[in-house]
Amino acid sequence: NAGVTQTPKFRILKIGQSMTLQCTQDMNHNYMYWYRQDPGMGLKLIYYSVGAGITDKGEVPNGYNVSRSTTEDFPLRLELAAPSQTSVYFCASSAGLAAYNEQFFGPGTRLTVL
Amino acid sequence: GQQLNQSPQSMFIQEGEDVSMNCTSSSIFNTWLWYKQDPGEGPVLLIALYKAGELTSNGRLTAQFGITRKDSFLNISASIPSDVGIYFCAGQLYYNFNKFYFGSGTKLNVKP
Repeated sequence: NAGVTQTPKFRILKIGQSMTLQCTQDMNHNYMYWYRQDPGMGLKLIYYSVGAGITDKGEVPNGYNVSRSTTEDFPLRLELAAPSQTSVYFCASSAGLAAYNEQFFGPGTRLTVL
Repeated sequence: GQQLNQSPQSMFIQEGEDVSMNCTSSSIFNTWLWYKQDPGEGPVLLIALYKAGELTSNGRLTAQFGITRKDSFLNISASIPSDVGIYFCAGQLYYNFNKFYFGSGTKLNVKP
């Protein structure tokens, strides 16, 4: 199993550009998450999904959109990139929401907005 | 959002030394988790704690769920160079199972 995969690994955007960060998991997990990690900080939850067709906001959803059309994929969309969105983005998945269902993280996407 | 205060921010220790770090919150947490993040990688779960007072070990790592449910501690004994990385605490509020809140991390450096 590949686990959680994310593409691209690195990206530089200009202010106002848009892009989609891809996330795929092959563990048949229902729950998927997007986090951002700013330098020297912990992870903050952007959006999460409890299954195909169901998404909900996390702690810092502004400026982002998500969709979940399949169990495997959970893309994150930035419509109008801003310098404040410069961060490392992690996708994660788990079998359930409760803590005993371990979250497995992807390797991250490092995004810079200039 | 919830604030998890993790300390220390960074540590420089000699190989073989023991390490302690902690995480505190103003809110009551139902669950405490400890993760390790290697450079360029996502976090990996080390230990999960589910009950106040619980003490759990994973090899040389030991973590405790504080009695007040507002703090947690991680100890690493006899550190080795591969312990280098960033250690994060994370918690799940007692009234909201949907979200995890992360501390800002403790960066551990081990000198051989």
